[in-house]
Amino acid sequence: QKEVEQNSGPLSVPEGAIASLNCTYSDRVSQSFFWYRQYSGKSPELIMSIYSNGDKEDGRFTAQLNKASQYVSLLIRDSQPSDSATDLCAASGGYNKLIFGAGTRLAVHP
Amino acid sequence: DVKVTQSSRYLVKRTGEKVFLECVQDMDHENMFWYRQDPGLGLRLIYFSYDVKMKEKGDIPEGYSVSREKKERFSLILESASTNQTSMYLCAHTDVILAGDRDTGELFFGEGSRLTVL
Repeated sequence: QKEVEQNSGPLSVPEGAIASLNCTYSDRVSQSFFWYRQYSGKSPELIMSIYSNGDKEDGRFTAQLNKASQYVSLLIRDSQPSDSATDLCAASGGYNKLIFGAGTRLAVHP
Repeated sequence: DVKVTQSSRYLVKRTGEKVFLECVQDMDHENMFWYRQDPGLGLRLIYFSYDVKMKEKGDIPEGYSVSREKKERFSLILESASTNQTSMYLCAHTDVILAGDRDTGELFFGEGSRLTVL
């Protein structure tokens, strides 16, 4: 099993809908998790981080962490065409290391 | 604004050539990283550095070396480029240690250098 796994997509959602992205992780990563967004031809930028079980909300974004099931998800409410990008899940993988998943491509259509 | 400058956006090199990729940051951050990004594989850590002249191997260091002579500059070196090193290379930096429960995990990435080895 890869340390951080994501479905590559594309995940296609209509404008205004909720997009749900999932990520699973192995025992080889620690308990800090992050979502980055990468637009085509651009570099990744941090969306949000989550460390504790449960939900964390930031504007239209909600990160959810379930340590017992080893998954972390990102919910995007009121999806906009500007959300069309690749969202990367990442986890702390030891001293000074972030381990990234391959990313889920999100396509929001009008 | 945070600024990370990578020396070249696009490079084409021949097998066996020595390749230098440079990264300069203006945030005075201690920690700098080199990743490569390939379709379906995501970002993979090559090397990182937490201080001048200090370096640590990442997950895929084979075929690469690094140099950090000044705090703001972190160079990736391909001693003898091979076709399997064709990739997008991303430099990043942060001022926190990415291991604690409270760090933000925010890496600041450069625009990337797309290397093609023929």
